[in-house]
Amino acid sequence: EAGVTQFPSHSVIEKGQTVTLRCDPISGHDNLYWYRRVMGKEIKFLLHFVKESKQDESGMPNNRFLAERTGGTYSTLKVQPAELEDSGVYFCASSQGDRGQETQYFGPGTRLLVL
Amino acid sequence: GNSVTQMEGPVTLSEEAFLTINCTYTATGYPSLFWYVQYPGEGLQLLLKATKADDKGSNKGFEATYRKETTSFHLEKGSVQVSDSAVYFCALTPNTGGFKTIFGAGTRLFVKA
Repeated sequence: EAGVTQFPSHSVIEKGQTVTLRCDPISGHDNLYWYRRVMGKEIKFLLHFVKESKQDESGMPNNRFLAERTGGTYSTLKVQPAELEDSGVYFCASSQGDRGQETQYFGPGTRLLVL
Repeated sequence: GNSVTQMEGPVTLSEEAFLTINCTYTATGYPSLFWYVQYPGEGLQLLLKATKADDKGSNKGFEATYRKETTSFHLEKGSVQVSDSAVYFCALTPNTGGFKTIFGAGTRLFVKA
């Protein structure tokens, strides 16, 4: 069974540009999450989809970040315009079930560097 | 609120040494507890987990016991190898609603041959 995949693995952009990150969850997983780790600090939750619906977006830092999951399959996270402080590693995870404590399986992450 | 605190690194050990990485948490009720590992150049991998008090999670020689009385989930391994060099993250998922995982800051482990 394929794991969670993310694209691209690395992205280097200039401040003010737009970047779109993609996540493909494990097939059949209704829950999809975005997290990020900035500057070697804690990995922090950004948002949670159940199928195509945003269940919890309390971790989204500001309105420069837009996440979508059309059709309830893959998800995209767009940063527009990117700022220097957006640099970090963006992780996607997916899980099955609806109890909230199921194991989340993480992708390899996208390393974003904003110059 | 919910939080996870783990010992700061980096931790440097010689091969075959005993490893302990301390982790304590703050949460209401009975969260599920996890250790994730990130090897160089790779993504996060689930190392082990425990879902209720006194459970012991184990994998690849690593162990951690869910201690409700001390709100701890310390990671241990009796004999580390160079290949264990990685960043280790302690994490919890609360059981009081919501699905987000709360992570500690990570502890980098270097194992010397």
